[in-house]
Amino acid sequence: AQSVTQLDSHVSVSEGTPVLLRCNYSSSYSPSLFWYVQHPNKGLQLLLKYTSAATLVKGINGFEAEFKKSETSFHLTKPSAHMSDAAEYFCVVSGLAGNKLTFGGGTRVLVKP
Amino acid sequence: GAGVSQSPRYKVAKRGQDVALRCDPISGHVSLFWYQQALGQGPEFLTYFQNEAQLDKSGLPSDRFFAERPEGSVSTLKIQRTQQEDSAVYLCASSLERIKGGDSRYEQYFGPGTRLTVT
Repeated sequence: AQSVTQLDSHVSVSEGTPVLLRCNYSSSYSPSLFWYVQHPNKGLQLLLKYTSAATLVKGINGFEAEFKKSETSFHLTKPSAHMSDAAEYFCVVSGLAGNKLTFGGGTRVLVKP
Repeated sequence: GAGVSQSPRYKVAKRGQDVALRCDPISGHVSLFWYQQALGQGPEFLTYFQNEAQLDKSGLPSDRFFAERPEGSVSTLKIQRTQQEDSAVYLCASSLERIKGGDSRYEQYFGPGTRLTVT
């Protein structure tokens, strides 16, 4: 079984400042990990994925995440927040057979001008 | 190209009514998934198809929930005798890749969801 914990339900940042969204996972095998973003009234969009290749993963829109096995973490970062980054972000782990995704509770990001 | 589409986008049902939610996956995608997202929470897995075969339905909350994909393309999620706790956004996702020998790399593409409100 696998689980995901997003450590912050809400994050507020000023435009142009760094963003850090924290995620810890639990898995009995080497997992595939993902970050998805959900804008209001829109579908979930994949930001980036880790699948046992490089531990530092670069995604779309300037986001990146680092897989740290020793800490069971997969934190999402962006050096400079933009107003369009305001959305809900989900950290996700896949099942052993890759057939089901387990989502964290989500982090809502507010970007202040 | 066209993404995953779902219909209707919004559905209001009176308690006890049956509803049917439709998902059109990306053409050629082998796998199809249904998730339920309650207000303020992350999506939760309901069921999974590979072509027309329903390989995992462990997330369906009760026997009132039924999903099918008879021709391996369009899928329908049916909820019988709806209850207020069924109110949620129902998300459909599809992916191209088959599961190959334990290598589970794939990407799920999500539709916009159907928001179901049971009154």
